[in-house]
Amino acid sequence: AQTVTQSQPEMSVQEAETVTLSCTYDTSENNYYLFWYKQPPSRQMILVIRQEAYKQQNATENRFSVNFQKAAKSFSLKISDSQLGDTAMYFCATSGSARQLTFGSGTQLTVLP
Amino acid sequence: EAGVAQSPRYKIIEKRQSVAFWCNPISGHATLYWYQQILGQGPKLLIQFQNNGVVDDSQLPKDRFSAERLKGVDSTLKIQPAKLEDSAVYLCASRSGGLVYEQYFGPGTRLTVT
Repeated sequence: AQTVTQSQPEMSVQEAETVTLSCTYDTSENNYYLFWYKQPPSRQMILVIRQEAYKQQNATENRFSVNFQKAAKSFSLKISDSQLGDTAMYFCATSGSARQLTFGSGTQLTVLP
Repeated sequence: EAGVAQSPRYKIIEKRQSVAFWCNPISGHATLYWYQQILGQGPKLLIQFQNNGVVDDSQLPKDRFSAERLKGVDSTLKIQPAKLEDSAVYLCASRSGGLVYEQYFGPGTRLTVT
């Protein structure tokens, strides 16, 4: 069984600043992936970034990067140069051999002008 | 490439009525998922299809929920009879299959049961 914990229900950041969203997970699998999804008010779940557990190098996608600490089972998301369009609910998720996503409870991020 | 399509976008029904949701996955995607997302929570898997066969329906409340994927393409999820606690967003996702892990989501259907 897999579990994902997001301990920050809400966060806010000033436009152009940097913010970090926290996520911890638990899994018994050796091969798994970790994801951050963004869900704006439109409800469309959008993939932001993914990390393969066997890769030590942290994934980056433009302004988005992760800090993956495998031993600590931690997977945080850093958003640099925050933009108003980044306002959304952010979900951390893991997927193992069954290719099923287990989601955390989400962090509502608000970018302030 | 067209994304995952879902309809309707919104549905309001009274308890004990029935409702059906439709999903059309990305062309060629072998695996299809239905998730239930209750307000303020993350999505929870209801059922997973591989082509037209069920891989996992262990979290589907089978006394009232049913799902099918005819011909391994479109899928429908039905609730009969609906309860107040079924109010949620129902998300459909698809995955190409094999070693690929990424799932791509549709816009969801918001169901309100009154």
